[in-house]
Amino acid sequence: DTGVSQDPRHKITKRGQNVTFRCDPISEHNRLYWYRQTLGQGPEFLTYFQNEAQLEKSRLLSDRFSAERPKGSFSTLEIQRTEQGDSAMYLCASSLTGGRAGEQYFGPGTRLTVT
Amino acid sequence: QKEVEQDPGPLSVPEGAIVSLNCTYSNSAFQYFMWYRQYSRKGPELLMYTYSSGNKEDGRFTAQVDKSSKYISLFIRDSQPSDSATYLCAILTSGTYKYIFGTGTRLKVLA
Repeated sequence: DTGVSQDPRHKITKRGQNVTFRCDPISEHNRLYWYRQTLGQGPEFLTYFQNEAQLEKSRLLSDRFSAERPKGSFSTLEIQRTEQGDSAMYLCASSLTGGRAGEQYFGPGTRLTVT
Repeated sequence: QKEVEQDPGPLSVPEGAIVSLNCTYSNSAFQYFMWYRQYSRKGPELLMYTYSSGNKEDGRFTAQVDKSSKYISLFIRDSQPSDSATYLCAILTSGTYKYIFGTGTRLKVLA
């Protein structure tokens, strides 16, 4: 399978714990996005990478959230001191510079439950 | 006011019906307009995109943009049970990468 992969698919954690998610984009894609989606809502933009540079970050992203893409390939999203409001699906998407606007390829998501 | 408004549905139609899905947006700076389809427990997939007012057709799908009214639509002709999914509109401003999604409309096509 050469699509976007995310790991883990499900994560249950206790409030106050730190969690880290991984995204592996399509191999030649240089653009990578993270989104958060709660039930009944559309994806909410969190951050964007072009290669290893984090070029855009939502103002909604608190200091507890950090994302990296160290070698311009896979990316990690870390949430520190999780809160119940962080429970959501975290989606990763990738695309190629020069591709059609909006042509992002989404992964299956990581579902986070904070108890 | 949300930047993008979309009726969450659910919308139930019989097989073969024409479906009309709509979004309104508030910022006239938005330039790119997309429709995504999301099946349950999957990530969204791009269906249509356009950057100008008017219609764009792809098979059974037609995307329509009216920039003067800040209104975008997706029409599905000859709807099939396999079209049952959530349909998300999304908008992008040129020069940024912050895609703004609507809440999604849940569609059910009854066989």
